[in-house]
Amino acid sequence: GNSVTQMEGPVTLSEEAFLTINCTYTATGYPSLFWYVQYPGEGLQLLLKATKADDKGSNKGFEATYRKETTSFHLEKGSVQVSDSAVYFCALSRPGNMLTFGGGTRLMVKP
Amino acid sequence: SQTIHQWPATLVQPVGSPLSLECTVEGTSNPNLYWYRQAAGRGLQLLFYSVGIGQISSEVPQNLSASRPQDRQFILSSKKLLLSDSGFYLCAWSPMSLSRGSLGGSPLHFGNGTRLTVT
Repeated sequence: GNSVTQMEGPVTLSEEAFLTINCTYTATGYPSLFWYVQYPGEGLQLLLKATKADDKGSNKGFEATYRKETTSFHLEKGSVQVSDSAVYFCALSRPGNMLTFGGGTRLMVKP
Repeated sequence: SQTIHQWPATLVQPVGSPLSLECTVEGTSNPNLYWYRQAAGRGLQLLFYSVGIGQISSEVPQNLSASRPQDRQFILSSKKLLLSDSGFYLCAWSPMSLSRGSLGGSPLHFGNGTRLTVT
């Protein structure tokens, strides 16, 4: 079946540090991959997506590359800010546009 | 532009009481609609999805039900709440897909969620 595994948090970084949140997936076929962000008390917002192998999704300084050979979609940012503190979810799409989510990774950025 | 509204934002209900959460989408037609639940400290679990009026599919057996009385309205209900129903409920929509067999790839757009506490 389809599944998504994310590194467990919380991840605590100082401002301007480099961020990596690991995400690996198991799927039949070639799913699209997504990163969503959830700020405290809010719903999820799409951060970036990639629809095929070697695609790189990017937004707001975040990047992730669809790696078919390693079945990974790691999220990276070169310099995090306090405002990036949130929970990040990796997800893959199934037929019918249903998403399978990872467990989420809480990021805390300290000034 | 498309918007999704979900209410109430927070709800505290006693065990055994009924539940009705409502979600509406504006600015699009024939959307796919979804209800997810996020339990404390856990990821998101798909509860129900709908590809059209009156068409509801359940992902997991549970104490909840869903209905879609209108094209852009999706309701989550329970006749008798359990303690385990506590959580953060998220409604979402995506552009129409013709069937379960169609390819995924469109992102989901989420509402701001309802935090339900069953006491």
